Order: sequence, then structure tokens, then C-alpha cells
Amino acid sequence: DIQMTQSPSSLSASVGDRVTITCRASQSINRNLNWYQQKPGKAPKLLIYAASSLQSGVPSRFSGSGSGTDFTLTINNLQPEDFATYYCQQSYNNPRGTFGQGTKVEIK
Amino acid sequence: QLLLQESGPGLVKPSETLSLSCTVSGGSISSGVYFWGWIRQPPGQGLEWIASIDYSGTSHYVPSLRSRLTVSVDTSQNQFSLKVNSVTVADTALYYCVRQRRAINERGAVDIWGQGTMVIVSS
Repeated sequence: DIQMTQSPSSLSASVGDRVTITCRASQSINRNLNWYQQKPGKAPKLLIYAASSLQSGVPSRFSGSGSGTDFTLTINNLQPEDFATYYCQQSYNNPRGTFGQGTKVEIK
Repeated sequence: QLLLQESGPGLVKPSETLSLSCTVSGGSISSGVYFWGWIRQPPGQGLEWIASIDYSGTSHYVPSLRSRLTVSVDTSQNQFSLKVNSVTVADTALYYCVRQRRAINERGAVDIWGQGTMVIVSS
């Protein structure tokens, strides 16, 4: 099975900051990597697919990069509504897809 | 706008079978460009993909649970379902039904989620 490791598991940031979350796969997954945002009591929301493609309706302050085993989610100009938990998901063997353990972004 | 709605019992006894259904509205489950799947989230924990199926009935399962899972599709009812046999307390979780993309350049992205249904395994 492909394992996904996210870091950090949590971080504190201020409104206006740039936040970077990384995700590492246990083997190459090309660009088959998706990012999700989950707020308390809500279903996750797709932010980025295929490593760097912005899902329709998602603000452009969200961006993704990477290929192979190392990937990054960047949030520029962090907004109050961005405080949430973020998950990466590999989809190399679609539809089988494992998630990272999550990164909680909290208010500093 | 396509919507997914889970239904099923909120409480299941250990060793029994958990049965969940997902009703698709606002679109057809017979589209060949999607998988229809289940993702679960134990309380306070992360996300786990457990099973998916396409409109033809081709199914996929997470290896660790394969022997206890059955997913099925009913295109006439625009529904798909999940059964989990021999449940234990470890199966207590919020279960989401989801739509996953199949297109080569967006494979596996889960773009639509149900609201989730909480299942508690307890005697």
C-alpha cells in the first residue's frame, strides 16, 4: 500500500500569513495527488486535484505543487475562513486512495 | 447540482452487519466518468477510503477490510450501497458516500461528498 505522510500535523498562523503544508508518498505517484479542506462538523471539500489544478470555485490563494513523491499545498494571505484541517490524498491506483493524517491550521 | 445522501442505522451491535445506502439526486449514477465510493472517519481521526464501485458494478476495496466489505449499485434507483460484516467498535465512524472522478487528468479526486452518517458500534 502507498503511505502518505503529511507535515506538520498542526501549525499556528496569523491572518495574512503564507502557510505551507507538505505531503510525501512512500513511492512515486506521478501527479496523482489531491488536497482537501475540512472544517469542524463538515464534509471535506476538494481544493486541488492532480497536484496543481485548482478546483472550480476555490480561491486562487490556494495552490499546489509537486510530483513523484513530494507535494506541497500553499495558502497565500491566510484568511479567517481558512482555519481548518487539510488532507492530502494519493489516487495513483484510482479509485483506491489513501489519505495523509491531516494538518490542522490554527489561529496564532 | 448533484447531491448525495446517506441513510442507514446509527447504531449497530458488534458482530452484526452494517448496511448503508447512498441516494444520488440531481444527476445519474450511470455516468461512466465517475466512481461512487465510501470514505469513513472515526471520531477525532483522519479519513479512510474503504470502497468504490462504478455503474457497471466493478468494485474496489481497501485491502485491510476487503473480506468484510460489499459494495453494490442499483442504477434503477440511482443508489449505491455498502455492507460491512462482523462489525467491531473499530468500525465506529462517520461514513461519507462520495463521487470520485475517473478522467485521466483528474483521477481519483473526490469532488462531491454526502453530509455523512454517524455509525456507532455498541452492544
